[in-house]
Amino acid sequence: DAGVIQSPRHEVTEMGQEVTLRCKPISGHNSLFWYRQTMMRGLELLIYFNNNVPIDDSGMPEDRFSAKMPNASFSTLKIQPSEPRDSAVYFCASSLGGTGEHEQYFGPGTRLTVT
Amino acid sequence: GEDVEQSLFLSVREGDSSVINCTYTDSSSTYLYWYKQEPGAGLQLLTYIFSNMDMKQDQRLTVLLNKKDKHLSLRIADTQTGDSAIYFCAERTGGYNKLIFGAGTRLAVHP
Repeated sequence: DAGVIQSPRHEVTEMGQEVTLRCKPISGHNSLFWYRQTMMRGLELLIYFNNNVPIDDSGMPEDRFSAKMPNASFSTLKIQPSEPRDSAVYFCASSLGGTGEHEQYFGPGTRLTVT
Repeated sequence: GEDVEQSLFLSVREGDSSVINCTYTDSSSTYLYWYKQEPGAGLQLLTYIFSNMDMKQDQRLTVLLNKKDKHLSLRIADTQTGDSAIYFCAERTGGYNKLIFGAGTRLAVHP
């Protein structure tokens, strides 16, 4: 398996532009997580899905952020409009849900820079 | 509420043991994890421990869990330069495999 795939790996955009980050989870995994990592705030859970349904979006910073999972093999995180403080590395992770120690597998991340 | 705390930095000499500590708050956590992040990469699972265990050993790694004090530690024996990375402690809380991560401990290994 190719692991969790994220695109793009790097994104540089100007303030006010729309940004869309993409994630393809590992086939067969039914839970998907979006995280944001910054030096100041560490690793923050933004939102997670189970069986394509958003379970908890309490970590989404504000209405400028939205996430979708239209099917089991694809998810997007959209920021509109983007601001310089959104600059961070965004990780997508997937896992099997339910009981057990199930590992979360992380993608390589998308480094977003908003100027 | 849910919170995981760990020291931010640890420096050790190559060949020595490293001990990274973590405290958590959710007493109902079923699993606790250690993840490793190398520069420019995502997090990778190193090891985990079930909450009814006190200790788990996996080659050079030893995890100790003190459930009463909600304290978790990771010991790396014979630390090598390749162990230099950020180590995250995480607790599993609630359903759906949601994890709460600490801020990460940056381990620097010097000759």
